[in-house]
Amino acid sequence: GESVGLHLPTLSVQEGDNSIINCAYSNSASDYFIWYKQESGKGPQFIIDIRSNMDKRQGQRVTVLLNKTVKHLSLQIAATQPGDSAVYFCAVSFQGAQKLVFGQGTRLTINP
Amino acid sequence: EADIYQTPRYLVIGTGKKITLECSQTMGHDKMYWYQQDPGMELHLIHYSYGVNSTEKGDLSSESTVSRIRTEHFPLTLESARPSHTSQYLCASSDPQRPTDTQYFGPGTRLTVL
Repeated sequence: GESVGLHLPTLSVQEGDNSIINCAYSNSASDYFIWYKQESGKGPQFIIDIRSNMDKRQGQRVTVLLNKTVKHLSLQIAATQPGDSAVYFCAVSFQGAQKLVFGQGTRLTINP
Repeated sequence: EADIYQTPRYLVIGTGKKITLECSQTMGHDKMYWYQQDPGMELHLIHYSYGVNSTEKGDLSSESTVSRIRTEHFPLTLESARPSHTSQYLCASSDPQRPTDTQYFGPGTRLTVL
């Protein structure tokens, strides 16, 4: 099976600073990793994903880093804005399971 | 942006009532999912479907049932609601033809059972 854990349940950063949210997974056979953002009262929204054949992928203001050696995943948000305030979830799956396993979520708070 | 809809958004109901939570998607996705989520906590898979007439139980035991008669529709039913069913219920869908099989979520139904 798979278990997914986040290093910090809450994270506060100053507006304009960079944020890093970390996630650890247990199954070395995991091959697909995804980050979701969930704002209050809404469903999770896809941010970025990465497959195990890559170790870095960039989007608009976001970067996902994958370290398969230590089974660690991180989401970096550049120049955080008030609209980035939300709970961030990582989710992991491996081929054959066809299901996502979610971590517990990190609540990101942006201070003005 | 995904086109997946859930109704109602909020539901307060008494113990023992039968309820159906609706989920529809207009993307023609074969795979659909139901998750249960307590506030601020992780999502737990309770049901999923790979297509019409296919339904499977998820990782978290649930007293709810689902049906998949049409590709676009995946309703969840509780025959007799109890306070322990109070939670947020999230529906998602994905396209297995895509390389990454990304799941897209609806806005959720927040259920309160008194």
